[in-house]
Amino acid sequence: DMKVTQMPRYLIKRMGENVLLECGQDMSHETMYWYRQDPGLGLQLIYISYDVDSNSEGDIPKGYRVSRKKREHFSLILDSAKTNQTSVYFCASSFPGGAEVFFGKGTRLTVV
Amino acid sequence: SQWGEENLQALSIQEGEDVTMNCSYKTYTTVVHWYRQDSGRGPALIILIRSNEREKRSGRLRATLDTSSQSSSLSITAAQCEDTAVYFCATDLSSSFSKLVFGQGTSLSVVP
Repeated sequence: DMKVTQMPRYLIKRMGENVLLECGQDMSHETMYWYRQDPGLGLQLIYISYDVDSNSEGDIPKGYRVSRKKREHFSLILDSAKTNQTSVYFCASSFPGGAEVFFGKGTRLTVV
Repeated sequence: SQWGEENLQALSIQEGEDVTMNCSYKTYTTVVHWYRQDSGRGPALIILIRSNEREKRSGRLRATLDTSSQSSSLSITAAQCEDTAVYFCATDLSSSFSKLVFGQGTSLSVVP
């Protein structure tokens, strides 16, 4: 069953709190991604991971960090969340080299 | 930005009409992905077209790729109400790994 699973689906946090978004995939994909989606801006790449402990900044990494200790699991961490980090966050995974990218259902994060 | 400014943001058509969405990009790519996103869900791949393919079809969908003009299009024939969604083109900026960068998307509304 090819799936990217994100937890939680909805999250409300206060400004300054730490946030952990978790993502898992069951397809043994080497590459995993974190995107955020805001109205009118499409999907913006935050971080990309090419395999365990091999992570690279995307286009908007500021304020975020990631952790990948197992191939099937990729976490996004917001240390001291800010209100402008309110967004929908998508995790995705793929095999390398231009292959299809599979997305999770997203996590809607609200920072108040 | 990776994207040209002529990529259309929103379209509304009647059921049964044909529609074409265009995408132009600035950085050379060997593959263009077209994704569809339904409300409240993550994007899902509908067509992937590589630089050695000028055209690719899948059911009522047809994608074209012109690497000389760095543009791609997605056409839907005889659109149905269930085709209502946001459609994104995305380019892969890496030949070795997958680094997918998305355009802003076109919101398509098909009305009866």
